[in-house]
Amino acid sequence: ETGVTQTPRHLVMGMTNKKSLKCEQHLGHNAMYWYKQSAKKPLELMFVYNFKEQTENNSVPSRFSPECPNSSHLFLHLHTLQPEDSALYLCASSQVRNEQFFGPGTRLTVL
Amino acid sequence: QKEVEQNSGPLSVPEGAIASLNCTYSDRGSQSFFWYRQYSGKSPELIMFIYSNGDKEDGRFTAQLNKASQYVSLLIRDSQPSDSATYLCAVNGGGKLIFGQGTELSVKP
Repeated sequence: ETGVTQTPRHLVMGMTNKKSLKCEQHLGHNAMYWYKQSAKKPLELMFVYNFKEQTENNSVPSRFSPECPNSSHLFLHLHTLQPEDSALYLCASSQVRNEQFFGPGTRLTVL
Repeated sequence: QKEVEQNSGPLSVPEGAIASLNCTYSDRGSQSFFWYRQYSGKSPELIMFIYSNGDKEDGRFTAQLNKASQYVSLLIRDSQPSDSATYLCAVNGGGKLIFGQGTELSVKP
């Protein structure tokens, strides 16, 4: 695997389900990010991790819970989501403060 | 005022023409600037970055930066239908990237 990978690529879940999104980067970067992209809206930064430490939480609801066990892996745990949380969730990585490289994204639909 | 502003478009140009995409930003302390291309249903792909005032060329793409005017642009020469996508401007402000809303470009054969 090269670059930034994300699984699953598509996810449909009910509002009472619990699921997790996974991101893995193979670029040797030390910063990882979660973004949300809704239709016709700009990218919304959700969380930033630098050297496994969370450095930014952009007022994200607690139903989204990130986890970064090491510099190569990032998870986003989801529970009791709302239909308006349906979006493309993108993971990115970078050397700190440098250009970011994105994974293919997870298309999430909340029913 | 939005931190990074782009005209959402759509911008329509004929094949072979020059497409000009513009972006303004509010943070005078910004040091690095990026252009991403995003095809429909896909993730953003980095195509150019620029740090210094002036022009930077890479193939058919030229990024232009004017820090005094807080303005960065992307020129695409000899536009092709395959260039049709949304182009995102991103500015490194305070250690994180701030994205504009993107400009949709349509290149007509």
